[in-house]
Amino acid sequence: GAVVSQHPSRVICKSGTSVKIECRSLDFQATTMFWYRQFPKQSLMLMATSNEGSKATYEQGVEKDKFLINHASLTLSTLTVTSAHPEDSSFYICSAKSVLGYNEQFFGPGTRLTVL
Amino acid sequence: SQKIEQNSEALNIQEGKTATLTCNYTNYSPAYLQWYRQDPGRGPVFLLLIRENEKEKRKERLKVTFDTTLKQSLFHITASQPADSATYLCALDGYSSASKIIFGSGTRLSIRP
Repeated sequence: GAVVSQHPSRVICKSGTSVKIECRSLDFQATTMFWYRQFPKQSLMLMATSNEGSKATYEQGVEKDKFLINHASLTLSTLTVTSAHPEDSSFYICSAKSVLGYNEQFFGPGTRLTVL
Repeated sequence: SQKIEQNSEALNIQEGKTATLTCNYTNYSPAYLQWYRQDPGRGPVFLLLIRENEKEKRKERLKVTFDTTLKQSLFHITASQPADSATYLCALDGYSSASKIIFGSGTRLSIRP
């Protein structure tokens, strides 16, 4: 089946630093990738939709200058949390839709970000 | 606004019984309805997708129904096992590859031996 990887799986950083999270579709091409964040015992909240070769579309309330998204190729999207603060600590999950198939989304394993 | 409700935050059943989870939605006409499993600290794993013109779909011990009149989906796990314990998420999706999936809040299923 389709596999999506994320790196790193876990990161701890100091307040004010920037953190980059990578999302890769390993065995399929994805024109569209999605970034979610999830707080404990809550559902996934969509942050932005990332299209290869174009600017990301952010959901209402998500600061695009703080959460920089780059979709450089059909298999790679990155999320950079700039000037991270403790309230940015969360579980970040990416997903990708295959250009083929039935429109199902394949999710990465997630990245746990802790900002001290 | 679009809304998805999974009416049980948690469900606790005996091993071997059938677990039934419910997903209701409003203000949306999805092309697809999907069910995912999520284990703690992990990303969701796709289980089943059912299209708007399909009534029922099965995969091994899993069965999903989709009633677009009632705007409801039921997700069944037959012969449940402790390994089925997880959070199950219902999600709605549109037609295009760029459409956004909307997730329900999930039902935490626990299967006791």
